[in-house]
Amino acid sequence: GENVEQHPSTLSVQEGDSAVIKCTYSDSASNYFPWYKQELGKRPQLIIDIRSNVGEKKDQRIAVTLNKTAKHFSLHITETQPEDSAVYFCAASINDYKLSFGAGTTVTVRA
Amino acid sequence: DAGVIQSPRHEVTEMGQEVTLRCKPISGHDYLFWYRQTMMRGLELLIYFNNNVPIDDSGMPEDRFSAKMPNASFSTLKIQPSEPRDSAVYFCASSTPGRGRETQYFGPGTRLLVL
Repeated sequence: GENVEQHPSTLSVQEGDSAVIKCTYSDSASNYFPWYKQELGKRPQLIIDIRSNVGEKKDQRIAVTLNKTAKHFSLHITETQPEDSAVYFCAASINDYKLSFGAGTTVTVRA
Repeated sequence: DAGVIQSPRHEVTEMGQEVTLRCKPISGHDYLFWYRQTMMRGLELLIYFNNNVPIDDSGMPEDRFSAKMPNASFSTLKIQPSEPRDSAVYFCASSTPGRGRETQYFGPGTRLLVL
Protein backbone atom coordinates (compact mmCIF):
# COMPACT_ATOMS: atom_id res chain seq x y z
CA GLY A 1 0.00 0.00 0.00
CA GLU A 2 0.86 3.66 -0.06
CA ASN A 3 3.47 4.92 2.41
CA VAL A 4 3.69 8.65 3.15
CA GLU A 5 6.61 10.11 5.05
CA GLN A 6 6.45 13.61 6.50
CA HIS A 7 9.17 15.92 7.81
CA PRO A 8 9.85 17.57 10.12
CA SER A 9 7.81 16.18 12.99
CA THR A 10 7.97 19.52 14.81
CA LEU A 11 8.57 23.03 13.52
CA SER A 12 8.90 26.24 15.48
CA VAL A 13 8.88 29.54 13.60
CA GLN A 14 8.83 33.21 14.50
CA GLU A 15 5.62 35.01 13.69
CA GLY A 16 5.88 36.45 10.20
CA ASP A 17 8.39 33.90 8.99
CA SER A 18 7.66 31.08 6.56
CA ALA A 19 7.08 27.40 7.36
CA VAL A 20 7.75 24.50 5.00
CA ILE A 21 6.63 20.91 5.49
CA LYS A 22 7.76 18.15 3.15
CA CYS A 23 6.23 14.80 2.28
CA THR A 24 7.23 11.88 0.09
CA TYR A 25 5.02 9.07 -1.14
CA SER A 26 5.76 5.60 -2.44
CA ASP A 27 3.00 4.75 -4.92
CA SER A 28 3.59 6.39 -8.30
CA ALA A 29 -0.13 5.88 -9.08
CA SER A 30 -1.14 8.39 -6.42
CA ASN A 31 -2.77 11.42 -8.00
CA TYR A 32 -4.40 13.38 -5.22
CA PHE A 33 -2.53 15.11 -2.38
CA PRO A 34 -4.49 16.96 0.31
CA TRP A 35 -3.23 18.77 3.39
CA TYR A 36 -5.23 18.77 6.62
CA LYS A 37 -4.84 21.03 9.64
CA GLN A 38 -5.76 19.83 13.12
CA GLU A 39 -5.87 22.25 16.02
CA LEU A 40 -5.44 20.87 19.52
CA GLY A 41 -8.43 18.75 20.50
CA LYS A 42 -10.21 19.48 17.23
CA ARG A 43 -11.02 17.58 14.07
CA PRO A 44 -8.80 17.57 10.95
CA GLN A 45 -9.87 20.08 8.31
CA LEU A 46 -8.80 20.31 4.68
CA ILE A 47 -6.79 23.46 3.96
CA ILE A 48 -5.49 22.86 0.45
CA ASP A 49 -5.04 20.05 -2.05
CA ILE A 50 -3.33 19.40 -5.37
CA ARG A 51 -3.70 16.92 -8.19
CA SER A 52 -0.93 15.22 -10.10
CA ASN A 53 -1.59 17.23 -13.26
CA VAL A 54 -0.70 20.45 -11.44
CA GLY A 55 2.74 21.47 -10.16
CA GLU A 56 1.74 24.23 -7.78
CA LYS A 57 -1.38 25.65 -6.16
CA LYS A 58 -1.76 28.71 -3.98
CA ASP A 59 -4.47 29.98 -1.66
CA GLN A 60 -3.62 33.25 0.07
CA ARG A 61 -0.73 32.50 2.46
CA ILE A 62 -0.72 28.77 1.77
CA ALA A 63 0.82 27.04 -1.23
CA VAL A 64 1.50 23.45 -2.17
CA THR A 65 4.04 22.18 -4.69
CA LEU A 66 4.26 18.73 -6.26
CA ASN A 67 7.16 16.97 -7.93
CA LYS A 68 5.77 13.77 -9.45
CA THR A 69 9.12 12.57 -10.69
CA ALA A 70 10.61 12.69 -7.22
CA LYS A 71 7.30 11.67 -5.57
CA HIS A 72 7.58 14.64 -3.31
CA PHE A 73 5.16 17.42 -2.28
CA SER A 74 5.43 20.32 0.12
CA LEU A 75 3.28 22.80 2.04
CA HIS A 76 4.44 26.39 2.31
CA ILE A 77 2.93 28.84 4.78
CA THR A 78 4.07 32.44 4.44
CA GLU A 79 3.75 35.29 6.93
CA THR A 80 2.89 32.87 9.72
CA GLN A 81 0.46 33.95 12.42
CA PRO A 82 -0.30 32.51 15.88
CA GLU A 83 -3.49 30.91 14.53
CA ASP A 84 -1.35 28.82 12.18
CA SER A 85 -0.15 26.84 15.21
CA ALA A 86 -1.53 23.32 14.76
CA VAL A 87 -0.66 19.84 13.53
CA TYR A 88 -0.51 19.57 9.75
CA PHE A 89 -0.99 16.27 7.94
CA CYS A 90 -0.17 15.50 4.34
CA ALA A 91 -1.91 12.63 2.57
CA ALA A 92 -1.82 10.80 -0.74
CA SER A 93 -4.48 8.87 -2.61
CA ILE A 94 -4.86 6.90 -5.83
CA ASN A 95 -8.62 7.32 -6.03
CA ASP A 96 -9.59 10.55 -4.18
CA TYR A 97 -10.99 8.56 -1.27
CA LYS A 98 -8.51 6.16 0.27
CA LEU A 99 -6.18 8.60 1.98
CA SER A 100 -2.83 7.54 3.44
CA PHE A 101 -1.68 10.15 5.92
CA GLY A 102 1.77 11.24 6.97
CA ALA A 103 2.65 11.23 10.67
CA GLY A 104 1.98 14.93 11.07
CA THR A 105 4.01 18.08 11.77
CA THR A 106 3.40 20.12 14.89
CA VAL A 107 3.85 23.76 13.95
CA THR A 108 4.34 26.35 16.68
CA VAL A 109 4.33 30.02 15.76
CA ARG A 110 6.18 32.13 18.34
CA ALA A 111 4.84 35.61 18.92
CA ASP B 1 -26.02 21.90 8.36
CA ALA B 2 -24.88 20.37 11.65
CA GLY B 3 -21.89 18.64 10.11
CA VAL B 4 -20.86 15.07 10.83
CA ILE B 5 -22.23 13.95 14.18
CA GLN B 6 -20.54 11.34 16.34
CA SER B 7 -21.58 9.78 19.59
CA PRO B 8 -20.55 9.31 22.24
CA ARG B 9 -17.87 11.99 22.43
CA HIS B 10 -16.08 10.16 25.20
CA GLU B 11 -16.19 6.52 26.20
CA VAL B 12 -14.45 4.78 29.06
CA THR B 13 -14.83 1.03 29.26
CA GLU B 14 -13.13 -2.00 30.68
CA MET B 15 -11.19 -4.56 28.72
CA GLY B 16 -13.42 -7.23 27.26
CA GLN B 17 -16.48 -5.03 26.96
CA GLU B 18 -18.24 -4.28 23.68
CA VAL B 19 -17.96 -0.73 22.39
CA THR B 20 -20.20 0.81 19.74
CA LEU B 21 -19.36 4.13 18.14
CA ARG B 22 -21.96 5.96 16.08
CA CYS B 23 -21.83 8.37 13.17
CA LYS B 24 -24.31 10.45 11.23
CA PRO B 25 -22.82 11.82 8.02
CA ILE B 26 -23.71 15.14 6.44
CA SER B 27 -27.01 14.83 4.61
CA GLY B 28 -26.51 14.06 0.93
CA HIS B 29 -22.96 12.77 1.33
CA ASP B 30 -22.48 9.35 -0.19
CA TYR B 31 -19.03 8.42 1.15
CA LEU B 32 -18.41 7.64 4.79
CA PHE B 33 -15.03 6.96 6.37
CA TRP B 34 -13.89 5.64 9.74
CA TYR B 35 -10.44 6.66 11.02
CA ARG B 36 -8.44 5.92 14.14
CA GLN B 37 -5.90 8.39 15.54
CA THR B 38 -3.18 7.52 18.04
CA MET B 39 0.14 9.10 18.89
CA MET B 40 2.00 5.98 17.82
CA ARG B 41 0.24 5.21 14.54
CA GLY B 42 -1.12 8.60 13.52
CA LEU B 43 -4.30 8.87 11.47
CA GLU B 44 -5.32 5.55 9.93
CA LEU B 45 -8.19 4.81 7.59
CA LEU B 46 -10.07 1.78 8.90
CA ILE B 47 -12.91 1.38 6.39
CA TYR B 48 -14.97 3.40 3.98
CA PHE B 49 -18.41 3.08 2.45
CA ASN B 50 -20.02 4.34 -0.73
CA ASN B 51 -23.81 4.43 -0.87
CA ASN B 52 -23.92 2.29 2.29
CA VAL B 53 -21.71 -0.44 0.77
CA PRO B 54 -18.26 -1.16 2.28
CA ILE B 55 -15.65 -0.46 -0.40
CA ASP B 56 -12.38 -1.07 1.41
CA ASP B 57 -11.95 -2.53 4.88
CA SER B 58 -8.26 -3.35 4.56
CA GLY B 59 -7.46 -0.97 7.41
CA MET B 60 -9.61 -2.77 9.96
CA PRO B 61 -7.04 -4.08 12.41
CA GLU B 62 -8.65 -7.31 13.55
CA ASP B 63 -11.80 -9.35 13.49
CA ARG B 64 -12.72 -7.67 16.76
CA PHE B 65 -13.57 -4.60 14.70
CA SER B 66 -16.68 -4.42 12.55
CA ALA B 67 -18.51 -1.58 10.81
CA LYS B 68 -21.96 -1.27 9.34
CA MET B 69 -23.94 1.31 7.46
CA PRO B 70 -27.60 0.24 7.47
CA ASN B 71 -28.76 3.43 5.77
CA ALA B 72 -27.46 6.67 4.30
CA SER B 73 -27.67 8.56 7.57
CA PHE B 74 -26.15 6.17 10.08
CA SER B 75 -23.05 4.07 10.59
CA THR B 76 -21.57 2.16 13.51
CA LEU B 77 -18.09 0.95 14.39
CA LYS B 78 -18.10 -1.89 16.89
CA ILE B 79 -15.22 -3.33 18.89
CA GLN B 80 -15.87 -6.65 20.58
CA PRO B 81 -14.10 -7.49 22.81
CA SER B 82 -12.25 -4.24 23.48
CA GLU B 83 -8.59 -4.15 24.54
CA PRO B 84 -6.44 -1.38 26.09
CA ARG B 85 -4.55 -0.97 22.78
CA ASP B 86 -7.81 0.09 21.16
CA SER B 87 -7.65 3.33 23.13
CA ALA B 88 -7.64 6.13 20.56
CA VAL B 89 -9.69 8.90 19.02
CA TYR B 90 -12.03 7.52 16.37
CA PHE B 91 -13.14 9.91 13.66
CA CYS B 92 -15.94 9.54 11.19
CA ALA B 93 -15.84 11.60 7.99
CA SER B 94 -18.07 12.01 4.96
CA SER B 95 -17.76 13.48 1.50
CA THR B 96 -20.18 14.72 -1.09
CA PRO B 97 -20.76 13.25 -4.56
CA GLY B 98 -19.73 15.22 -7.60
CA ARG B 99 -17.69 18.41 -7.51
CA GLY B 100 -15.65 18.72 -4.35
CA ARG B 101 -16.00 15.04 -3.63
CA GLU B 102 -12.39 14.81 -2.49
CA THR B 103 -12.97 16.94 0.59
CA GLN B 104 -13.59 14.81 3.64
CA TYR B 105 -15.51 16.49 6.44
CA PHE B 106 -14.56 15.07 9.79
CA GLY B 107 -16.76 14.69 12.81
CA PRO B 108 -15.61 15.79 16.29
CA GLY B 109 -14.36 12.31 17.12
CA THR B 110 -14.98 9.81 19.90
CA ARG B 111 -12.24 9.55 22.49
CA LEU B 112 -12.12 5.92 23.62
CA LEU B 113 -10.27 4.73 26.69
CA VAL B 114 -10.16 1.01 27.41
CA LEU B 115 -8.94 0.19 30.90
